[in-house]
Amino acid sequence: KAGVTQTPRYLIKTRGQQVTLSCSPISGHRSVSWYQQTPGQGLQFLFEYFSETQRNKGNFPGRFSGRQFSNSRSEMNVSTLELGDSALYLCASATRTSGINSRPYEQYFGPGTRLTVT
Amino acid sequence: QKEVEQDPGPLSVPEGAIVSLNCTYSNSAFQYFMWYRQYSRKGPELLMYTYSSGNKEDGRFTAQVDKSSKYISLFIRDSQPSDSATYLCAMSASNTGNQFYFGTGTSLTVIP
Repeated sequence: KAGVTQTPRYLIKTRGQQVTLSCSPISGHRSVSWYQQTPGQGLQFLFEYFSETQRNKGNFPGRFSGRQFSNSRSEMNVSTLELGDSALYLCASATRTSGINSRPYEQYFGPGTRLTVT
Repeated sequence: QKEVEQDPGPLSVPEGAIVSLNCTYSNSAFQYFMWYRQYSRKGPELLMYTYSSGNKEDGRFTAQVDKSSKYISLFIRDSQPSDSATYLCAMSASNTGNQFYFGTGTSLTVIP
């Protein structure tokens, strides 16, 4: 079974530009989460999508947005890029999301997109 | 204070040693705990998933959770050079979807 794929793998953008990152989950997985990884902060949760709906959102500004398509593929968009947005953006897929009083599901990560903002 | 604290290391051990990796946390609602391994320029790879307190063993890896102390550990027995990587702990509560809180990772080098 193919793993999580992310495109592009590397990206260089200029301050003020916007960027769109793409994630294709493992076949059959319906939950997609996005994380930002930086050396100082580690992995920080951006948001999770399940069945084309945002399930929850981390503490990031509104410049960070996402969406999920009917085939479970997801995109993340960052508008008005800042130098501090330089990071590895990781996508993780899971079979489903947790319901009320149920456990979260194992997440499987893609290789990430390395974004550099100059 | 961050919700999850993890000593960044670096940790360097000889091949065959037992490695102990640890995380502490502040949120008593966390019940679900994962350990990931991340090689350079790769995404994190899931190693272990445990629920609540107790031990779980998988091959050379043992995950331990002590909820009373808000402390989790990953032990690696008979460490190999291929274990050289960054190890990340992650934890979550129920009713928060698949949102996990991660430690910043411990860098491990196993010397042949």
